[in-house]
Formats: sequence, structure tokens, C-alpha cells
Amino acid sequence: ETGVTQSPTHLIKTRGQQVTLRCSSQSGHNTVSWYQQALGQGPQFIFQYYREEENGRGNFPPRFSGLQFPNYSSELNVNALELDDSALYLCASSPDPGTDNQPQHFGDGTRLSIL
Amino acid sequence: GEDVEQSLFLSVREGDSSVINCTYTDSSSTYLYWYKQEPGAGLQLLTYIFSNMDMKQDQRLTVLLNKKDKHLSLRIADTQTGDSAIYFCPSGGSQGNLIFGKGTKLSVKP
Repeated sequence: ETGVTQSPTHLIKTRGQQVTLRCSSQSGHNTVSWYQQALGQGPQFIFQYYREEENGRGNFPPRFSGLQFPNYSSELNVNALELDDSALYLCASSPDPGTDNQPQHFGDGTRLSIL
Repeated sequence: GEDVEQSLFLSVREGDSSVINCTYTDSSSTYLYWYKQEPGAGLQLLTYIFSNMDMKQDQRLTVLLNKKDKHLSLRIADTQTGDSAIYFCPSGGSQGNLIFGKGTKLSVKP
């Protein structure tokens, strides 16, 4: 069983640039959620994708956007990067949307640094 | 306010038991989870408990749930240096998301 994989592992960008982070879900999982984890904090929910549609969203501005592909993999795009966007970005997959069924399985994250 | 409250730090000696506690403001989650995060890594699902259970044991891990008091705990028996990490007990949000507190940093001293 292949787990959740994320790429790249590390990335350095400057303010104002755009970034795309990628996630491959665990086999058999059709739902992908993205989280932002700032240093010393717990992960914060960005959004969730199910059947290629945004299925829920946290308190993040529209410059955070995403995609899900037919193979259930997903991208997180962030435009107009700000210094506060520096964080670990975590992707999690689950067999179904919602947390009432099976737990979410996380990847190792992408560490994004904004200079 | 926070949906999940945890102590920020816990320090134990190798071989002792560790108990990490968690209090929820919202107890509507069907499942309650424990995740472990080692430095520089993602979150590893340790164990989870169905909300109508009081206890679950999984090798060195014991999860206790007091639904009335909205209190969840994780006991690690015979704590090892490899157990040093941050432990999270997220609650379930209304959008299929997990709501995390700041986690408890467990330090194990040899």
C-alpha cells in the first residue's frame, strides 16, 4: 500500500511569487485535505477536495487555491506569496470526505520558506 | 477559542509511563485520533478510538475516553527515547477537516 507522498520536500521562494505543491493520495483514498503548519503551531485546515471539487474550506484567502485530478492526486497553489506563508504544508488523504469514517493519513509535508 | 486543549510540554524518564491529556470543547466527533509528529516530519497516525468506546489498547498505547467530561488521554507504557515527539489529538470539524491544538511535546530523558 502506497502512502501519501508530497513534492517537493523543501522550497524557497520570494515575496510576490507563486508556488505549486503536489500530493499523491494513499491508494484507495479519494479525498485530499491540505493543512498549513506554522512553526510551533498545530496544523490549520486550508481546504479539502473530493471528486475533483472543493468540499470544504478553512479561513484562508482566495490566493490559496487547489485542484484534484481524476487519479485523486492534488495540487495546492499559492499566489502573491507573503512572508507569513512560510510554513510546513501537509497533505492528508482519506477514503471518504468527512471524519466519520476513516482517519486521515498525512504525508511528510513540503517546507516552504519565503524570503 | 481553541477546540482542543493540551498541555504544551511533558518530560519523562526512559522506561516510565507517559500520559498525555486532551480536552475538547466539541465532542461530536465519531472518531478521536492521536497523531505523532517527529521533528521535521509529517503526522503519523498512532491510534484512534470510536466515540462510543471508553478504552482502547494497542501494544504500548492505551487510549481512555471520558465523553461526559470531554477528556481524552494517551498512555504510553515503557516510554522510549524514540517516543520523543509532539502529540496531537485533533477533533473533527464540520467540513470533514481535523481541528488541531498546539500539541504536547514529549521529551524522554535517558
